[in-house]
Order: sequence, then C-alpha cells, then structure tokens
Amino acid sequence: ETGVTQSPTHLIKTRGQQVTLRCSSQSGHNTVSWYQQALGQGPQFIFQYYREEENGRGNFPPRFSGLQFPNYSSELNVNALELDDSALYLCASRQDTTANYGYTFGSGTRLTVV
Amino acid sequence: AQRVTQPEKLLSVFKGAPVELKCNYSYSGSPELFWYVQYSRQRLQLLLRHISRESIKGFTADLNKGETSFHLKKPFAQEEDSAMYYCALSGLGAQKLVFGQGTRLTINP
Repeated sequence: ETGVTQSPTHLIKTRGQQVTLRCSSQSGHNTVSWYQQALGQGPQFIFQYYREEENGRGNFPPRFSGLQFPNYSSELNVNALELDDSALYLCASRQDTTANYGYTFGSGTRLTVV
Repeated sequence: AQRVTQPEKLLSVFKGAPVELKCNYSYSGSPELFWYVQYSRQRLQLLLRHISRESIKGFTADLNKGETSFHLKKPFAQEEDSAMYYCALSGLGAQKLVFGQGTRLTINP
C-alpha cells in the first residue's frame, strides 16, 4: 500500500507567475482534498475532488483551480501568484466522500512566492 | 460559521505530568470532532475521533456539547508525545475539515 506523495517538495516562484502542484493519492482512494497551511496556522480547506469532479470548495478565489485524473492523481493550479500564497500545500486522499476520518495526508509542497 | 479554537499555541509540561490540550468549536449542526497529530518530520495523521470514543497512545477526548469543547487529555505525559496537535471539525457528510491553529506540545524530561 502506497501513501500520498506530493511533488515538488519545495518551490520558489515570483509574484504573478503560475504554479502547478501534484499529488498522487493512496491506492484505492477516489477522493482528494487540498489544504493551504500558512505559517503558524492550521490547514485551510481549498477544494475537494471526487471522481474527477470538484464537489466542495473553501473560501479561495477562482485563480486556485484543480484537476483530478482517472487514476485519481490530482493537481492544484494557482494563477497570478501573490505573496500571501506562500504556504505549505497539503494533499489528502480518502476512500469515499463521507468518511472524514479516513484522510491520508501527504508531506506537502512548500511554496514561496517572492 | 464553523470555527475551531485552540487557545494555546505552546504548551510545555514535564514527563509524567498530566496533559490537557484545549479545543473549543463553533458549529450549528451535529459536528464530528477529531484530533490530528504531527510528529517532527512526519506528516499529519489522525490521532482520534470522538465517535469512536477510543484511547490512542493514552490520549482521550470527550465531546462536551454544552461547553462546545473537545479537550485532549493524557494522565501521564511521555517524551514521545512532543508534537504539534490540531483539533478539527467536520459536519456530517461534509467535504471538509476545519482545523484549529494547533498547539505545540513539548514534554520536558
């Protein structure tokens, strides 16, 4: 059984650029969520994908978008990067849409916007 | 609005002493409450959830709906308990977890 893997682990981008973060879900998990964790804060929900469709979204602007692929891997895209987008981005997968306790988290991608 | 408050950013206790990490929540419906833990250089992982009413690594947490609290307790702290602890809330069938800002617990020898 493989866990959740995220790439890259660290990334530095310039304000205004675009970034794509990647996540490979745990085997057998069909639901993936993305969270943003600013320094000193708890994770904040960005959105969730279930069977390639977005089925939940937090208070993030449209420049945060995502994709889920048939193999249940996923991407988080952020356009027009702002300095406040600097954070740790966590991907979490689970087996279905209702079992909130079944999350498996990745180690995260640390994004720095300069 | 859904909100989780962990009033202590840092908590330091001696080995063998009791530990209590506080968590208060705000939610209009019936919440599910969780404690997540992140040990040094490890990923975030579930410690326990209120529905299961279990004790994990000596930790317990009771949901008090009257006080809207879900404090995490352990009678005798161990050095390996040093970690970052997050309280989290979810509505029934909801898609997301709402996390508190976390408490860094340090157990002194």
